[in-house]
Amino acid sequence: AQSVSQHNHHVILSEAASLELGCNYSYGGTVNLFWYVQYPGQHLQLLLKYFSGDPLVKGIKGFEAEFIKSKFSFNLRKPSVQWSDTAEYFCAVSNFGNEKLTFGTGTRLTIIP
Amino acid sequence: NAGVTQTPKFRVLKTGQSMTLLCAQDMNHEYMYWYRQDPGMGLRLIHYSVGEGTTAKGEVPDGYNVSRLKKQNFLLGLESAAPSQTSVYFCASSLNSVYGYTFGSGTRLTVV
Repeated sequence: AQSVSQHNHHVILSEAASLELGCNYSYGGTVNLFWYVQYPGQHLQLLLKYFSGDPLVKGIKGFEAEFIKSKFSFNLRKPSVQWSDTAEYFCAVSNFGNEKLTFGTGTRLTIIP
Repeated sequence: NAGVTQTPKFRVLKTGQSMTLLCAQDMNHEYMYWYRQDPGMGLRLIHYSVGEGTTAKGEVPDGYNVSRLKKQNFLLGLESAAPSQTSVYFCASSLNSVYGYTFGSGTRLTVV
């Protein structure tokens, strides 16, 4: 079964710092990859997704992620974070032909003004 | 366009009581899901449905039942609530896995 690892449980950064959150998955077949964001007290919202093509994908609010197939990774990046980026971030993976998403345990991001 | 609507938003149950959580989507999505979210554990799939009249077990199905009698609705039932079922429950729907999920706003359930 697919599993997703997010090794950073809580990341604390100052505003304007650069961000990289790690995501690794276990199954090496064809996959669809997602990052979701959950702002405090809200539901999950899609940040970006990858299913084919350019391995560097850009999402909303200046976020981007790079799919590295050889490393089974899909890390999330942002060059300069803002206080409003404080949220929990979830990586999720689905295998080709399987409609179920497997989520990582999440990374809590705290931005200090 | 409402998207995915969950009711109720909050509920407190006593151990042994039963309840039903309702999820409704207006996007004509085939696939619907129920997840629970617990601190440090991310989202875990309880049950899901690949179309009207179908249901299947997810990762943590014990203690829950579901029904999908209409395409737009997916109900999650707790027959005899236990404190271990205290959680935030999210419903989601999707057109297919390439597009990702649309989530509801969640139901915070406390079992005392």
